[in-house]
Amino acid sequence: GQQLNQSPQSMFIQEGEDVSMNCTSSSIFNTWLWYKQDPGEGPVLLIALYKAGELTSNGRLTAQFGITRKDSFLNISASIPSDVGIYFCAGQILVQGAQKLVFGQGTRLTINP
Amino acid sequence: GAGVSQSPSNKVTEKGKDVELRCDPISGHTALYWYRQSLGQGLEFLIYFQGNSAPDKSGLPSDRFSAERTGGSVSTLTIQRTQQEDSAVYLCASSLRFGGGGETQYFGPGTRLLVL
Repeated sequence: GQQLNQSPQSMFIQEGEDVSMNCTSSSIFNTWLWYKQDPGEGPVLLIALYKAGELTSNGRLTAQFGITRKDSFLNISASIPSDVGIYFCAGQILVQGAQKLVFGQGTRLTINP
Repeated sequence: GAGVSQSPSNKVTEKGKDVELRCDPISGHTALYWYRQSLGQGLEFLIYFQGNSAPDKSGLPSDRFSAERTGGSVSTLTIQRTQQEDSAVYLCASSLRFGGGGETQYFGPGTRLLVL
């Protein structure tokens, strides 16, 4: 089945540093999504990407949909304490007439003040 | 409501008991999804409802798991004869529609299930 490889699994950075994480797959996806999950909460959508090559920004967050449609990255600039959490990539694919969402394993971000 | 709501927020049960988890999707959203998230893991797809169509049950891990959606809105996930390995966070999500760019899923806060 479809799988997403998300890396890194965890990051420990200093406040103010930039962050980069990515997801790759052997499958082609028609949509890429990036979610953030805080402790005890459900994932919250950060950025949605709908076209191959698309580069989208949301404040300090920037994400790109790879041109091959098999990968995506998320960058966070000038990290702040509230960026702490688990970030998930998700690829959307049409399987037997239904839109399926496949999640990566997550990147746990820890920030040292 | 403003977002997806789930109840209960936490559930502790004994092995072998049945549990029911409830999801209220965003008003007007026709698609509803259930996922399971084990500790420190990503999300595992369980089941998907789209309007009045038959649900996609391809992700259900065993026949002890079932779900229904009444009136195209509220959904209930039932786990019968719970096992310790069923302990996880069960997340519900809804999206506006199937296809046409309305597939973005919005998640509820989840139900944390602990089977003793």
